[in-house]
Amino acid sequence: GQQVMQIPQYQHVQEGEDFTTYCNSSTTLSNIQWYKQRPGGHPVFLIQLVKSGEVKKQKRLTFQFGEAKKNSSLHITATQTTDVGTYFCAGPGAGGTSYGKLTFGQGTILTVHP
Amino acid sequence: DVKVTQSSRYLVKRTGEKVFLECVQDMDHENMFWYRQDPGLGLRLIYFSYDVKMKEKGDIPEGYSVSREKKERFSLILESASTNQTSMYLCASSMPLGAQYFGPGTRLLVL
Repeated sequence: GQQVMQIPQYQHVQEGEDFTTYCNSSTTLSNIQWYKQRPGGHPVFLIQLVKSGEVKKQKRLTFQFGEAKKNSSLHITATQTTDVGTYFCAGPGAGGTSYGKLTFGQGTILTVHP
Repeated sequence: DVKVTQSSRYLVKRTGEKVFLECVQDMDHENMFWYRQDPGLGLRLIYFSYDVKMKEKGDIPEGYSVSREKKERFSLILESASTNQTSMYLCASSMPLGAQYFGPGTRLLVL
């Protein structure tokens, strides 16, 4: 079945440093979604990328979808303590009734040291 | 704002008990999901429903069943709870191919 791999599993940074997490799929994706889960919280939708090579920005966050639509990245510039949490990527399942399902990566746990 | 609510934030049950976890969403979403989340394993899909009375197994359905009698409500049932079902359970809803909106989660402890 479809697999979504995410690296690194953990990342510790000093406040102000940049951070990147990478997501790779075993199959071509129609779109990819990114979520953030704060400690003790639940996953919250950040963004969806659909087009090959698409780049979207949300303030200090930059999301990229690969040309082959099999990989994606999330880059945070100048991290802040409010960026702490787990970042997940997720891709949709195959066709048919699976079209509503998502396969989540294992997540990257970001710790920001002040 | 989309709201997804879950019946309990914390639950303690004994081995062998039947456990019901309820989830309600208020956005008229077609799709609803149940996940469990364990450290190091990410989010694993238990069951998924794409319409009333319709369900589909996820990656780890063993030991669980679901019920969706109304569009807004999706229940997860542990027929006979076991200690390896101690976990955080997250419900989510979405439109087809849309973003998933998660509830606050139920932390279940099975003794």
